[in-house]
Amino acid sequence: AQTVTQSQPEMSVQEAETVTLSCTYDTSESDYYLFWYKQPPSRQMILVIRQEAYKQQNATENRFSVNFQKAAKSFSLKISDSQLGDAAMYFCAYRSDPLNSGGSNYKLTFGKGTLLTVNP
Amino acid sequence: DAGVTQSPTHLIKTRGQQVTLRCSPISGHKSVSWYQQVLGQGPQFIFQYYEKEERGRGNFPDRFSARQFPNYSSELNVNALLLGDSALYLCASSLMGLAQYEQYFGPGTRLTVT
Repeated sequence: AQTVTQSQPEMSVQEAETVTLSCTYDTSESDYYLFWYKQPPSRQMILVIRQEAYKQQNATENRFSVNFQKAAKSFSLKISDSQLGDAAMYFCAYRSDPLNSGGSNYKLTFGKGTLLTVNP
Repeated sequence: DAGVTQSPTHLIKTRGQQVTLRCSPISGHKSVSWYQQVLGQGPQFIFQYYEKEERGRGNFPDRFSARQFPNYSSELNVNALLLGDSALYLCASSLMGLAQYEQYFGPGTRLTVT
């Protein structure tokens, strides 16, 4: 079974600065998908960024980028120019490629999350 | 377009009771997944339905059941409630059941079991 570990329960950053959230995962699969989700205090889970394991290029979405190290099974999220609205719980998640898992394994496996505080 | 909707927002039940949670996916989405998020933890997968068929089940007891209707909405049922069932229940929909399609989450139903 796949596992996702987020070793930083809490992180803080000054507004306009950069912060990196860590995530490691364990899998024996070669094809899979990785995600970072944001859950603000309002509870709605929002997709921040995704990475396909077969792509070597790190994904980028505006101020958000990832450092995907497949061999090390590491998937960190970097937030640049942090804003007050970035304050939230951030979850790293893993998803198998169903084509390689015998059919319909579409579930997301989440880490325990990292609570990000942005200080003005 | 409206996002994923869930009802009710909050629910308080007593141990031993039964509860039904409802989810309406984004229009056009045919896959619905359910997750349980205990306070301070990441969501845990309960079920996935696609085209009204169960396509995946997490490590939850048989007290948990779900179904998907012809309009692709879904219900999650939990029987014989335990205190440990207190959690935020999240529904997520996706266009299809394939991995490359994003899952969009609803706001959740907060269940408290006393």
